[in-house]
Amino acid sequence: TQLLKQSPQFLSIQEGENLTVYCNSSSVFSSLQWYRQEPGEGPVLLVTVVTGGEVKKLKRLTFQFGDARKDSSLHITAAQPGDTGLYLCAGLPMEYGNKLVFGAGTILRVKS
Amino acid sequence: EAGVAQSPRYKIIEKRQSVAFWCNPISGHATLYWYQQILGQGPKLLIQFQNNGVVDDSQLPKDRFSAERLKGVDSTLKIQPAKLEDSAVYLCASSLGRMNTEAFFGQGTRLTVV
Repeated sequence: TQLLKQSPQFLSIQEGENLTVYCNSSSVFSSLQWYRQEPGEGPVLLVTVVTGGEVKKLKRLTFQFGDARKDSSLHITAAQPGDTGLYLCAGLPMEYGNKLVFGAGTILRVKS
Repeated sequence: EAGVAQSPRYKIIEKRQSVAFWCNPISGHATLYWYQQILGQGPKLLIQFQNNGVVDDSQLPKDRFSAERLKGVDSTLKIQPAKLEDSAVYLCASSLGRMNTEAFFGQGTRLTVV
């Protein structure tokens, strides 16, 4: 059973479009993280959100942590081909202490 | 600062053979993770160490997989005997530990079992 459910699984869009990726759970998390992974490489951390309702911006990327700390979203504005990759959410479920669990990921392809 | 080092990058073995992967985490990182990532899926935690102690190995198939982290630094993950379904990328990650869980990953070892 996947603790973190990501949607959509796949997303193919044109350069310049906006998109949102979702990460949902029935469990409460002490923190959530977003990673980006390119083929043949390990995931690279983009951001960590800790406080319920927190919003963080990283250039064209906006991350939000739900008020109840059970879900998160990643919004990309004006997507570029360089944004192509696998986006993974990960977090520490409070019921499991320090165990870092991952969602299945969203594969994003941005066409030029 | 050097990143997480893993070796080998690629390994092809026949089923029922054994294989070992090595990981050198970032210096000073107390927590070390081994993940299995099957193509198109997110990483699945196999085992987590805090220094040289095991924190979680609930998803490690202990009949064939073993891992150790001697002296709380380097770690090895072994599979014996390998099955076809073990074909995956094995990722090692480390973090400072305690309240800081931002994980830094190595490039992974791609295992193909034929």
